[in-house]
Amino acid sequence: AQTVTQSQPEMSVQEAETVTLSCTYDTSESDYYLFWYKQPPSRQMILVIRQEAYKQQNATENRFSVNFQKAAKSFSLKISDSQLGDAAMYFCAYYTSGTYKYIFGTGTRLKVLA
Amino acid sequence: DVKVTQSSRYLVKRTGEKVFLECVQDMDHENMFWYRQDPGLGLRLIYFSYDVKMKEKGDIPEGYSVSREKKERFSLILESASTNQTSMYLCASERSLNEQFFGPGTRLTVL
Repeated sequence: AQTVTQSQPEMSVQEAETVTLSCTYDTSESDYYLFWYKQPPSRQMILVIRQEAYKQQNATENRFSVNFQKAAKSFSLKISDSQLGDAAMYFCAYYTSGTYKYIFGTGTRLKVLA
Repeated sequence: DVKVTQSSRYLVKRTGEKVFLECVQDMDHENMFWYRQDPGLGLRLIYFSYDVKMKEKGDIPEGYSVSREKKERFSLILESASTNQTSMYLCASERSLNEQFFGPGTRLTVL
């Protein structure tokens, strides 16, 4: 069965600094998608970034980028120039086509220090 | 923008009550999902639906049922609420590029 592991329950970063959130997963599939979702306090969860497993190039969205290591089954999220608004719970998620099922990690709470 | 709404932000119910949680999306998405979110456990899938009147069990369906009579509406039903069902419930709908859009959540307390 597929699993997603986020080993950092909580992280802190100084404003304007860079932070990396870790995610590992386990699967025997070759075709899948990986996601990072952000859940701000008392607000709706939103998609931060998505990576298709068949793409070798790491996805980037403005200050957010991923380091996708398929062989190592690792999918970390790097946030550059951290802002106070980045403070949130971040969830890593895995999806395989045809299953309709997303598997989420347990989340990492990111604190941004002014 | 896609909008996913949930009927209540906060709900308090008594043990044994029947509870309905409603979710509505406005973008004609085929797939809809119900999750519960608990600290340290992340999001766990309760049920999902890939079409009207179609449903599939997720990872923790026990004690729950669902209804999808119209494409835009997906309801989660707790037949007889218990204290261990106290949780945050999140609804989501999905578009074709495998991006889920989430509702604001319903924090349910069962006393």
